[in-house]
Amino acid sequence: QVQLVESGGGVVQPGGSLRLSCAASGFIFSTYHMHWVRQAPGKGLEWVSFIPSDGRGQLYADSVKGRFTISRDNSKNTLYLQMNSLSADDTAVYYCATENPAVLKSFDYWGQGTLVTVSS
Amino acid sequence: QSALTQPRSVSGSPGQSVTISCTGTSSDVGGYNYVSWYQHHPGKAPKLMIYDVSKRPSGVPDRFSGSKSGNTASLTISGLQAEDEADYYCCSYAGRYIHYVFGTGTKVTVL
Repeated sequence: QVQLVESGGGVVQPGGSLRLSCAASGFIFSTYHMHWVRQAPGKGLEWVSFIPSDGRGQLYADSVKGRFTISRDNSKNTLYLQMNSLSADDTAVYYCATENPAVLKSFDYWGQGTLVTVSS
Repeated sequence: QSALTQPRSVSGSPGQSVTISCTGTSSDVGGYNYVSWYQHHPGKAPKLMIYDVSKRPSGVPDRFSGSKSGNTASLTISGLQAEDEADYYCCSYAGRYIHYVFGTGTKVTVL
């Protein structure tokens, strides 16, 4: 079955960096588009970033543009999110999610998330 | 871009129906037939319940249905069951600049 496992979260100081990973299994990773979505404590879901199946043409929410970089390694079935210049507003659980190319514009499978806490 | 507006909470007794609204604008909900709904039990992975306004993924009970009128989408849960108690979020595609916007979330309580 489809499995997405996020890792790399933790506590980081303001201005610091962190790289999240999402290990995928149970489907043909190289054919699926991928997203990162986050949820701040006590808040709703917020879309963060998108990368198509071939890795070309990444998209970002305005709140992270210029600071976050999404990438993928199809040979390792892994999605990444490099997060720089972190602030308290980036504190959240970060989820990776799939977008089935046959069913566009929705997130059909999600991981359980990894918590990022930005605090001094 | 503001979040889509959902009621903070709805509740119903087992077997009853509840409807969750999701109000946006002509730039998101009203402009595209790409509204999706997610069920989220805290601490677990969110689950896709409805996509393309009214389509159900395989394995989602037909008690869950979606619709849209103008700038407002709706999720209806018929025959409410205890396991339906969760947070529900709508999401809409919002074009090439905003991309995606989620709703504020609704807590469904089964009385």
